[in-house]
Amino acid sequence: EVVLTQSPGTLSLSPGDGATLSCRASQRVSSVNLAWYQQKPGQAPRLLIYGSSNRATGIPDRFSGSASGTDFTLTISRLEPEDFAVYYCQQYGISSYSFGQGTKLEIK
Amino acid sequence: EVQLVESGGGRVQPGGSLRLSCAASGFTFSSPWMHWVRQTPGKGLVWVAAIWSDGSSTMYADSVKGRFTISRDNAKNTLYLQMNSLRVEDTAVYYCVRDLTHWGAFDYWGQGTLVTVSS
Repeated sequence: EVVLTQSPGTLSLSPGDGATLSCRASQRVSSVNLAWYQQKPGQAPRLLIYGSSNRATGIPDRFSGSASGTDFTLTISRLEPEDFAVYYCQQYGISSYSFGQGTKLEIK
Repeated sequence: EVQLVESGGGRVQPGGSLRLSCAASGFTFSSPWMHWVRQTPGKGLVWVAAIWSDGSSTMYADSVKGRFTISRDNAKNTLYLQMNSLRVEDTAVYYCVRDLTHWGAFDYWGQGTLVTVSS
């Protein structure tokens, strides 16, 4: 099973800042099968990015994703108040799916 | 508008059974794969099971294999999860999730239903 490790565990920033969230896979993951989600308290996760770099429907362009080997990055430019939430990466491998443990983005 | 509405959660004793349902609307239910994903405060998000669009094939996480069964009724636009031999560690919010075809991602989620396994 592919293990996804997200860092940092918590990121404290201010509105208007830029944020960089990392997700490292324990073995090779196809960039086609890496996604990012945002989850706010009391809500279900929402798909932000699929295929490492494709924004889902309705996601603003301040969210972007990239991949390099086993390292995947979610970048949020110009943080808005509604962006403070928990973010998860997720991969699809051979007959299995797994999530990272999450990064909490909190207001500084 | 795509909607996924779960039901059937509740409290059950260890060793017991529960059947979750997910009513889908707003899209052609018979097209995409469908999944169940669960979430606990301590362990985050965990994929549980998947079923192909026509129901001909299923996949399970090792932790539930042999105890849980995913199924679907495309005529009723409904996804199911039969959970047997429940354990305390199965306690979680269970989400019904739609597959984003060809990408291995989950593009729509239900609101979740809470399953509590406790004596």
